[in-house]
Amino acid sequence: QKEVEQDPGPLSVPEGAIVSLNCTYSNSAFQYFMWYRQYSRKGPELLMYTYSSGNKEDGRFTAQVDKSSKYISLFIRDSQPSDSATYLCAMSPGRGFKTIFGAGTRLFVKA
Amino acid sequence: EAQVTQNPRYLITVTGKKLTVTCSQNMNHEYMSWYRQDPGLGLRQIYYSMNVEVTDKGDVPEGYKVSRKEKRNFPLILESPSPNQTSLYFCASTPKDRGTDTQYFGPGTRLTVL
Repeated sequence: QKEVEQDPGPLSVPEGAIVSLNCTYSNSAFQYFMWYRQYSRKGPELLMYTYSSGNKEDGRFTAQVDKSSKYISLFIRDSQPSDSATYLCAMSPGRGFKTIFGAGTRLFVKA
Repeated sequence: EAQVTQNPRYLITVTGKKLTVTCSQNMNHEYMSWYRQDPGLGLRQIYYSMNVEVTDKGDVPEGYKVSRKEKRNFPLILESPSPNQTSLYFCASTPKDRGTDTQYFGPGTRLTVL
């Protein structure tokens, strides 16, 4: 079993839809949770991070962590074609420590 | 301009020929990492460093070495490259300050080992 599981998709949604991207993990030592976005042929960019449990919101993006279920989510509201990218979750015991990534979910938002 | 630079950007080499991929950041960040990216496998961390002379293994360290003699530089060394190290490599830096929601990635190095 992988430490971090992420459905690779692809996930296709119409413009304006709410997108839910998810990862599960097995290591209860993980405290620091990250979401990255990667456009085709580009490097990854850090979208958001959360520390321990709870929610964090940044514009149209909301990251949620449920440590009891070992489940994290990224919600994208009012999705746009420009959100079409691969989204990777990542987690570590703490900031700057060894980081494990999910395989990434490919998202397509259709106009 | 704040940036992470990597060199070379593209490299084709042969099995067993030692190579170094350089990584340099100009932001005085404490944390630096190397990742490789392969189709269907996402990003995998090779090594990370939390400060000068402090390095540790990531998820896939076999066949790689790193050093952190200066804060700005974090070279990745392949002493005897093999074809399974053909990949896209990214270097990244992060400030230690938890209030900063940023991580800077280099442009990537595409390595082919024949």
